[in-house]
Amino acid sequence: NAGVTQTPKFQVLKTGQSMTLQCAQDMNHEYMSWYRQDPGMGLRLIHYSVGAGITDQGEVPNGYNVSRSTTEDFPLRLLSAAPSQTSVYFCASSYTIQGALQTNEKLFFGSGTQLSVL
Amino acid sequence: KNEVEQSPQNLTAQEGEFITINCSYSVGISALHWLQQHPGGGIVSLFMLSSGKKKHGRLIATINIQEKHSSLHITASHPRDSAVYICAVRIGGRTNFGNEKLTFGTGTRLTIIP
Repeated sequence: NAGVTQTPKFQVLKTGQSMTLQCAQDMNHEYMSWYRQDPGMGLRLIHYSVGAGITDQGEVPNGYNVSRSTTEDFPLRLLSAAPSQTSVYFCASSYTIQGALQTNEKLFFGSGTQLSVL
Repeated sequence: KNEVEQSPQNLTAQEGEFITINCSYSVGISALHWLQQHPGGGIVSLFMLSSGKKKHGRLIATINIQEKHSSLHITASHPRDSAVYICAVRIGGRTNFGNEKLTFGTGTRLTIIP
């Protein structure tokens, strides 16, 4: 298994440009999410999906769109890039096994995208 | 106030030392994750805890639900353990699983000197 594949690794945009960050996982996970990581702050949730055709907003969704047409793919679109969107972006997928007494969950992250908006 | 607080923010130690990184949270949770982020940027899941203690190699993670506190210990630390260690909590009851609402700490930067 390749795990979570995220591209590109680096990207420089000019203000107002649009782009799509790609994310794919081959583990058949229902749950996928996008986070941004900024200096001095914890990872913050942008958008997430609990299955194909289902997406929802996270903590910082403004300026971003997502879609989930297949279980494998969860692209993140920047509609009109702004300098405030300069950040490191991570895609993640996860599985959850709920037992009678205990629940187990594991997170898998992509390698990250360093985005600069000039 | 951040719902998840990690301490220390930075930690430098000599190779071989016993390391403890702490995570405190202020709300009820159903699970706590410890993650490792290497200088290259990739994030790897180390543990998920909902109670008690887990061990994997030289890493030990404990959680005290009543005190809302978790610790990550590294025994016989090695320079390759140098990384940022991140605590993340899933807020709420067991029914929150599958609803991606994790809250992350800001991380502890660990440097192990040979």
